[in-house]
Amino acid sequence: QKEVEQDPGPLSVPEGAIVSLNCTYSNSAFQYFMWYRQYSRKGPELLMYTYSSGNKEDGRFTAQVDKSSKYISLFIRDSQPSDSATYLCAMSEVYNFNKFYFGSGTKLNVKP
Amino acid sequence: NAGVTQTPKFQVLKTGQSMTLQCAQDMNHNSMYWYRQDPGMGLRLIYYSASEGTTDKGEVPNGYNVSRLNKREFSLRLESAAPSQTSVYFCASSSLQGYTEAFFGQGTRLTVV
Repeated sequence: QKEVEQDPGPLSVPEGAIVSLNCTYSNSAFQYFMWYRQYSRKGPELLMYTYSSGNKEDGRFTAQVDKSSKYISLFIRDSQPSDSATYLCAMSEVYNFNKFYFGSGTKLNVKP
Repeated sequence: NAGVTQTPKFQVLKTGQSMTLQCAQDMNHNSMYWYRQDPGMGLRLIYYSASEGTTDKGEVPNGYNVSRLNKREFSLRLESAAPSQTSVYFCASSSLQGYTEAFFGQGTRLTVV
């Protein structure tokens, strides 16, 4: 079993929809939770990160962490065609925070 | 700002050939990483270097070697390429100053025929 599981999609939604992306994990030592966005033929770029549990909001993006369920989510409000990309979750442990464990990525397509 | 620079961007190798992928960062980061990305598999860590002078195996190190040449440069070598090593390779770097994000290069698309 992989340490981080993520539904690969693809996920196709109309412009303006609310998008929910999710990951589950098995390692209870994970404390840093990240979401990366990767456009086609580009390297991943950090979108958001949270430490431990709770919510974090940045514009149209909200990241949620539920450590009791070992489940993290990324919500995108008012989705735009420019949000079309692959979204990867990533996690690391507090005492080994520079070793990242990535999900397989969810490909999102936002249709105009 | 250059960030993380990988060379080459594309490469085709024959089975059994060797090659070195180069990576350099200009952000004064301590940690550097090599990942491979395959469809449906996400990013898998090959090797990483937490700081200059150290290297450690990641999830899929077999068939690869690395060299942390100095603080800026981290190379990945394939001694005898195999078709299973066809992939997109990403180099990344991050700071050791508390938690910071990993910055990725643009990737090297490698095909082994």
